Parts: sequence; structure tokens; C-alpha cells
Amino acid sequence: DAGITQSPRHKVTETGTPVTLRCHQTENHRYMYWYRQDPGHGLRLIHYSYGVKDTDKGEVSDGYSVSRSKTEDFLLTLESATSSQTSVYFCAISGTQGREGPQHFGDGTRLSIL
Amino acid sequence: QKEVEQNSGPLSVPEGAIASLNCTYSDRGSQSFFWYRQYSGKSPELIMSIYSNGDKEDGRFTAQLNKASQYVSLLIRDSQPSDSATYLCAVKKNTGNQFYFGTGTSLTVIP
Repeated sequence: DAGITQSPRHKVTETGTPVTLRCHQTENHRYMYWYRQDPGHGLRLIHYSYGVKDTDKGEVSDGYSVSRSKTEDFLLTLESATSSQTSVYFCAISGTQGREGPQHFGDGTRLSIL
Repeated sequence: QKEVEQNSGPLSVPEGAIASLNCTYSDRGSQSFFWYRQYSGKSPELIMSIYSNGDKEDGRFTAQLNKASQYVSLLIRDSQPSDSATYLCAVKKNTGNQFYFGTGTSLTVIP
């Protein structure tokens, strides 16, 4: 158990509403990531963070924003959810073994936008 | 060209056989390579890390890295039905902090 908690685990919401997903870690890892996973596309990076208030965009960042005000928390926000953002979202952390350490994943959030 | 490519399968092997999973990557400067196992409806779970050319063994799993050919493989010996899952290959480049994932290979071990 890598000490990663994602919340909520499941959410159903309507198009146009704001949604915030939370990733919480207990192990002081420097790097945190948000991915989405869709059939046929695999894991795609949305945003990542390399420290408090330090974030960068990934491959599919349009329509998403992130914030990291504390080492342990990394928030993903969909400002105005669309049906194309229906997906499974995974948070990952790394940084325990230097720059080349592997990622460890949270249990995921299944998000449905109707 | 995708950063990481895997044969999506599905790959089926009988119980007790060796399962061979393959992955190629495009950036010759990549330094770190990982294999994850993902059961249906679950999150990816790290099973192997490999950083230098050659083989790395851990129990029934062997990871093989050939940087000249830009090729990583995972061998599962004595395959068990519990090994049935999707296997993801991931690569981290020498620069930056991003990991690049293949789309995964679905493995079924037939009892």
C-alpha cells in the first residue's frame, strides 16, 4: 500500500457542473500525477506536479485544472464537465527512489457525466 | 509515432506455460522501464522495474531490456490463471518527470 487515497471513488454528475477530484498521499512523495484511462487509449497524462504550487500540463490537459497547496494533496478540477470527460481517473505518485523511481497508483475514481 | 507501443493482444497461454509480453519505445534516451499489471476494474500495480541492459528476475517474472533495439519484454514463467490481466509497459525518459505508457497487452491464462 503506497499510501494514496482518491476521493470520491465514484461520481455521477451532469454536463456543465464543476467537479473536483482529490488525491491524498501520506508518504511525502515529491511528484504527483493525474491520468485518465479510456478503452483503446490507455493511460493518458492530464497534469502533474513536481512540488507545492509547481504543476505542468500533460498530453490531455484541455478542460482540466489542478492545484497543489500542500505536499500531500493534489486536486483535479473539471470547471464545466462534458460527456467526453467520462472516464476513470487515476492519481499516481513517485519520488521515493530518486528521479528514476516508479509510479504507484491510487484506486481510481470512476466519473460519469450525463 | 507513439512513445511506447505494445501488442494489444489478446494473448492466451495454457496454465504452466511461459507468457511473453513485448514493448518497444521511441526515445533512445529513455532510462527507466516498468511493467505494471492491471486487473479489470482495478488500478495498475507495479510488478517490475528495470534500469540497465540485460535480465532482471523476480520470482516467476523476468524483465529483459535491450536499449540498442529499444525493446523491453516481460516473461512470466509457470503462468497461473491469476496472472490473467492487462500488462502495461511504462517508460521514463532521462529528462523530465513524465512517464509514458503503452496501451497494454491483455493476457489470459487458460486452466
